[in-house]
Amino acid sequence: SQQGEEDPQALSIQEGENATMNCSYKTSINNLQWYRQNSGRGLVHLILIRSNEREKHSGRLRVTLDTSKKSSSLLITASRAADTASYFCATTQGGSEKLVFGKGTKLTVNP
Amino acid sequence: GAVVSQHPSWVICKSGTSVKIECRSLDFQATTMFWYRQFPKQSLMLMATSNEGSKATYEQGVEKDKFLINHASLTLSTLTVTSAHPEDSSFYICSARQTGVTQYFGPGTRLLVL
Repeated sequence: SQQGEEDPQALSIQEGENATMNCSYKTSINNLQWYRQNSGRGLVHLILIRSNEREKHSGRLRVTLDTSKKSSSLLITASRAADTASYFCATTQGGSEKLVFGKGTKLTVNP
Repeated sequence: GAVVSQHPSWVICKSGTSVKIECRSLDFQATTMFWYRQFPKQSLMLMATSNEGSKATYEQGVEKDKFLINHASLTLSTLTVTSAHPEDSSFYICSARQTGVTQYFGPGTRLLVL
């Protein structure tokens, strides 16, 4: 079952602006991951944040995790047209290795 | 590193035929492989989890006789869609995991059943 819910469902910004996407989930998690999917392609792993971490950075990406609110955010700074893609959060729960994906945010960065 | 390939990238077949999709981990040994299905503009739905040398574990609602999964080696898993029908048309994506929690995804296979 789908647990993650991303918002917004779609986001359109200008190149150079920051993009923030949010993800909420319902049950306790082990970790939360963010993936990017270009249209009609596979997923690219962006970043993983464990349940005992609050913030993580990777290049232009910043991920936060608030387990009390069961939510995470992905910030892409200084966006580029090449960042145009759909972004999904995915969680693992309990002892399961299964990823439960959210519905995704479609990001469009206009040049 | 951690490259996963899928073959074919797209396939068109007639209703009633069977289609085999291969998923390979190119530079690592995958203890576990996963098969997902994605409908247009929707998220990924896990179909099954396969471990090398053992039977796949299917998610609720996924017909194991319809979607045959074989994980014969640590670098290859196959998904066969048997007696495909138009409603099986979809984007099928595999992922592979070595150790740890990160899954590495293949580029996907688009199936169109006429």
